[in-house]
Order: sequence, then structure tokens, then C-alpha cells
Amino acid sequence: DQQVKQNSPSLSVQEGRISILNCDYTNSMFDYFLWYKKYPAEGPTFLISISSIKDKNEDGRFTVFLNKSAKHLSLHIVPSQPGDSAVYFCAAPHYGGSQGNLIFGKGTKLSVKP
Amino acid sequence: NAGVTQTPKFQVLKTGQSMTLQCAQDMNHNSMYWYRQDPGMGLRLIYYSASEGTTDKGEVPNGYNVSRLNKREFSLRLESAAPSQTSVYFCASSFGGGSYEQYFGPGTRLTVT
Repeated sequence: DQQVKQNSPSLSVQEGRISILNCDYTNSMFDYFLWYKKYPAEGPTFLISISSIKDKNEDGRFTVFLNKSAKHLSLHIVPSQPGDSAVYFCAAPHYGGSQGNLIFGKGTKLSVKP
Repeated sequence: NAGVTQTPKFQVLKTGQSMTLQCAQDMNHNSMYWYRQDPGMGLRLIYYSASEGTTDKGEVPNGYNVSRLNKREFSLRLESAAPSQTSVYFCASSFGGGSYEQYFGPGTRLTVT
């Protein structure tokens, strides 16, 4: 079973506060995770990734945390800005067989209110 | 660099009509992908091409065919469109191998009536 789950379809946050987007996965063999951001009428763009040998990766306002024992990762955005309003997808490379293909979660729509 | 380009941006088809969605990348990537995005369903892989000359089915291949014309171009064909194929289609590319980051085109919004 190879699934990536984003159980919150939407999240609303006030500008300047922290946004936390969550993602769970089913296959403990997944060893790399990616976050993509998608604006309406545009293609997804790569945001940040993390390897399973790390538990944290930071890039400016964006930090991804990985908890392997819980099979859970989260994306933190601090401080949140109105321009961060978008749909965020987490993804993991398919394990075995068609390696390199990404399995995507269903996405979380983030709204950052001014 | 244009990155990944897709044509057309929008298309309306009648049931049973055929069409080809075009995709090209100028990043010298080895692997290319076609996804569809439906509300509440995330991105689902239709077909992929790990390298020039190879194509394989993804999660939802029924009703579609693909052609990897050369290293740059990867087309998706709907032979007999159905309303269930109304969706937004994205093409993506990557270096492949151990490089997992995929770069996406702007999408084609297809409506089948």
C-alpha cells in the first residue's frame, strides 16, 4: 500500500501567524518527500523536500518536519503571508517498480487572511 | 528557458471526438509525465516516459495513449473523448533516476460535453 494522505482539505490562517500543513503516509519504505505549491490556473511548483535521513529541512520561511515513527510530515510557514494562499500538495516517490514516479496527496488549500 | 510548455491551454470537445495534448520541455530532462487533476482528487498519473523511447501506464491510463516523440516532446491523445475525461491535464518532466523533483507545465483545461 503506497498512499500519501492530506486529511485537511483547507486551512485558514491570519497573516503573520504560523501555518502548519500536515501529511501522513502509509509505506514506511518511503525515503524522500516533497511539497508542491499550486496557484489557480497554474501548474504546481516545487517548494521544499526532505530525505528520510533528516528530520527537518528549512528554506527561508518554510520548514518541513519528518516524524518517521509516526509516518507523518508537516510543512510550517512562518510568518504566513497573503501570497502563500494556494493549494499545497505533499508527495513521495513510488517505492519499487516505477521509481521516480511521485504519489501525491489530495492537497490542502491554505488561505492567509490579511 | 521556457521550462515545460503545454498546448492548448483550453479545449472543449464533444463526446467521441479525439484530440492530442502537446507537451515540450527544454531542460534536457530524461523523464516526462502526464497527470490529471480533478476536484478533491489531487494529481493522478496517467502515463509516464522514464526515458526517450519508453512509455508506461500510470494510475489512470484508460482512454488515453501517449507518444514520446523525442527527448523534448511527450504527447497525450484522447481517441474518443468521454465526459469523465473532463479535467485539468498537467505535463511534467524530471531528470529521472534518483532525481525526484518534477517540473510542471501550466496545464490544459479540457471540457467534454
